Amino acid sequence: DQQVKQNSPSLSVQEGRISILNCDYTNSMFDYFLWYKKYPAEGPTFLISISSIKDKNEDGRFTVFLNKSAKHLSLHIVPSQPGDSAVYFCAATLVYGSGNTGKLIFGQGTTLQVKP
Amino acid sequence: EAQVTQNPRYLITVTGKKLTVTCSQNMNHEYMSWYRQDPGLGLRQIYYSMNVEVTDKGDVPEGYKVSRKEKRNFPLILESPSPNQTSLYFCASSLRGRGVFSPLHFGNGTRLTVT
Repeated sequence: DQQVKQNSPSLSVQEGRISILNCDYTNSMFDYFLWYKKYPAEGPTFLISISSIKDKNEDGRFTVFLNKSAKHLSLHIVPSQPGDSAVYFCAATLVYGSGNTGKLIFGQGTTLQVKP
Repeated sequence: EAQVTQNPRYLITVTGKKLTVTCSQNMNHEYMSWYRQDPGLGLRQIYYSMNVEVTDKGDVPEGYKVSRKEKRNFPLILESPSPNQTSLYFCASSLRGRGVFSPLHFGNGTRLTVT
């Protein structure tokens, strides 16, 4: 049972345009969401996060949007750069509830290619 | 430099030969975890540890063991590896506590092949 899903295995965009990566989750108990970026031969690195009390969080070129009613989050990268080419994982966790085990549940990942 | 260090980076072994993948972090993090990454499945948690001498199963613990005798180290042990354990393994650590959240810091991974 995949609690966090990234339904697009890959995405290709032109440099300078917007990249939109999507993620859906099924467990309404999740209250914190994150995006990680992974280059080949490296471990995932934290990119941006959002708490369930917000619907948007912005950090430079990266913005994460959360739609709790739809159980959907998205990552927008504007403008996209060739160095953004990587695998992006969304993840969800429970921080504030009694079931906090510290576990992150990850999606399958989306490979983003930004073409020069 | 704050980091999570895994060794080895690459490992090829045969079915049934016990192996250990080491993991060490220098950030004084309480929480440590092992994940495996497989195509189409993302990252799945194998085991985690909330602190020294406290470990628990994740989603895919079968065939693995862990120990947490010191805060900085969290080795992953495969007593009798099988081909279905061929995967890319990541160790991760973070601060942890009720209502306190810090993102997981990951090591660079260990590519394991079991023939």
